[in-house]
Amino acid sequence: DTGVSQDPRHKITKRGQNVTFRCDPISEHNRLYWYRQTLGQGPEFLTYFQNEAQLEKSRLLSDRFSAERPKGSFSTLEIQRTEQGDSAMYLCASSLVQTYGYTFGSGTRLTVV
Amino acid sequence: AQTVTQSQPEMSVQEAETVTLSCTYDTSESDYYLFWYKQPPSRQMILVIRQEAYKQQNATENRFSVNFQKAAKSFSLKISDSQLGDAAMYFCAYRSAGTSGTYKYIFGTGTRLKVLA
Repeated sequence: DTGVSQDPRHKITKRGQNVTFRCDPISEHNRLYWYRQTLGQGPEFLTYFQNEAQLEKSRLLSDRFSAERPKGSFSTLEIQRTEQGDSAMYLCASSLVQTYGYTFGSGTRLTVV
Repeated sequence: AQTVTQSQPEMSVQEAETVTLSCTYDTSESDYYLFWYKQPPSRQMILVIRQEAYKQQNATENRFSVNFQKAAKSFSLKISDSQLGDAAMYFCAYRSAGTSGTYKYIFGTGTRLKVLA
């Protein structure tokens, strides 16, 4: 296992389209997190899962955003009806319950045109 | 709500010299963790060093050390013998110990470190 994988690395989409990103965490990690990072800013928390349960969601996660982690393995983040303000880097990270350091993926850069 | 502030958008250091990056935070919690993460250009974020708030001793990892001042809510990162590979964006982050039921990080806005040859 080489770390946290995110797919795709880059996504360009037209405003109004739906997009879905995938994150594969380190296999034994039971916590999975999604963050959004815009240019010149630090990452902002979106949501996190412990196994398959989504335990916390940020107010940033509007109704157009949904995340799933079926069977506690990989996770998907879907954005419906994309807007230009959704353009950002979407970061996934994973960790074990008993640790407090994350392992981050390389991110998916979304550009909405 | 907790906040993390990095007041230095950009810093420069000569190769082999020492540089200190500043971070302050605000919280009403007594138990928490603090982190420094490094984000090289177009690459993933990597944990540099972490500090448990209940520990008085400052954390050290090779050339990286912190100055943790709990009462002042300050958490600075010192990089000794700077190397060209240290050039990156550095983020300070706060995480509750979990007693409040949240495990999310709160990040600062980052400090871009340039290393001059």
